Amino acid sequence: AQKVTQAQTEISVVEKEDVTLDCVYETRDTTYYLFWYKQPPSGELVFLIRRNSFDEQNEISGRYSWNFQKSTSSFNFTITASQVVDSAVYFCALSESTQGGSEKLVFGKGTKLTVNP
Amino acid sequence: EPEVTQTPSHQVTQMGQEVILRCVPISNHLYFYWYRQILGQKVEFLVSFYNNEISEKSEIFDDQFSVERPDGSNFTLKIRSTKLEDSAMYFCASSPREGVKAFFGQGTRLTVV
Repeated sequence: AQKVTQAQTEISVVEKEDVTLDCVYETRDTTYYLFWYKQPPSGELVFLIRRNSFDEQNEISGRYSWNFQKSTSSFNFTITASQVVDSAVYFCALSESTQGGSEKLVFGKGTKLTVNP
Repeated sequence: EPEVTQTPSHQVTQMGQEVILRCVPISNHLYFYWYRQILGQKVEFLVSFYNNEISEKSEIFDDQFSVERPDGSNFTLKIRSTKLEDSAMYFCASSPREGVKAFFGQGTRLTVV
């Protein structure tokens, strides 16, 4: 069965530090997608990235970067020069194809990031 | 940009009461989902819906739950007789077709007292 592990429950950093959030996944599918979502205190899920299992290129978007390594089944997320506004819970998720073609997400337990001024 | 809309944003209900959570998916989307997040825990899949029927449901989605797309635009989740442990944030999501990422609504926080 699909599984996503975010071993870091909570991380606290000081503003401007770099921080990496770890994500390890398990799947038997050969084609799958990996996601990161941000959940601020207001509660909504903010989509950050979706990565196809065939695309192992690292991605950078502003201060955010993602490192996908299929060999270690990891999809880690790095925030460079963290800011107080980055404080949130971050979820890694894995898509699982189902009968009928719908795609359900399996989420990790999340990592709560606190960025202190 | 189109978005998934959920109403209400927060609902308080008494234990044993029926509650209906409403979602308006993005127009022309074909796949619909409900997820649940108990406070402080991970987001969990409840059910997926396609072509006017459930395509998959989780163990959480027992006989107390039902989903419906009553008028071609709304997508509802009904809990027949709420329990204290149903208190959670409920997220609706929709996607236009197979293999395309789903868009999440902002969530409905359900509090059962």
